[in-house]
Amino acid sequence: DTEVTQTPKHLVMGMTNKKSLKCEQHMGHRAMYWYKQKAKKPPELMFVYSYEKLSINESVPSRFSPECPNSSLLNLHLHALQPEDSALYLCASSPPTVVGQPQHFGDGTRLSIL
Amino acid sequence: DAKTTQPTSMDCAEGRAANLPCNHSTISGNEYVYWYRQIHSQGPQYIIHGLKNNETNEMASLIITEDRKSSTLILPHATLRDTAVYYCIVRYTGNQFYFGTGTSLTVIP
Repeated sequence: DTEVTQTPKHLVMGMTNKKSLKCEQHMGHRAMYWYKQKAKKPPELMFVYSYEKLSINESVPSRFSPECPNSSLLNLHLHALQPEDSALYLCASSPPTVVGQPQHFGDGTRLSIL
Repeated sequence: DAKTTQPTSMDCAEGRAANLPCNHSTISGNEYVYWYRQIHSQGPQYIIHGLKNNETNEMASLIITEDRKSSTLILPHATLRDTAVYYCIVRYTGNQFYFGTGTSLTVIP
């Protein structure tokens, strides 16, 4: 069982739709992450939140909008996506102030853009 | 660009040790090395991590070279369930975790 829960597991949407991905953890971690993973490629870092504030944005297009409403929840709002945005979106969390501690990953949301 | 490289694929006989190398030549300072594995359609699973010294846990051993520019993950007795993609990750300044290119390990009966 994963301690990071992502919903939905699968999402199909059109290019004009607006949808959101949700990630939740109750381990008391104060750093949360979004990654994008294309088929047969490693995950690529998109965003990092530390203490509910955005600390890293890896030049992600504005059609992806992250939000961290509290210390347990991380959202990724999607709007006007392109077919090339179809991928597995992974969420992770870690304790930011404990040096060296690893990230914990959810099982991801598989997103398909029609 | 910092880049962590790994062999694309490896085979290992069941019951034998699997040695997976990783090159992280741009690592510096207090940057940790982590190893994860990913089975199809699941999230990455943590295996082990280290800074300078070699590390061992119930899953694997991690050997880090003295100059810290490369490391090797050792699965001492590979089983069929160890077939997966293995990623070496370097944690750069702050909370920047960057995945290596990944090695697809196939354990052969």
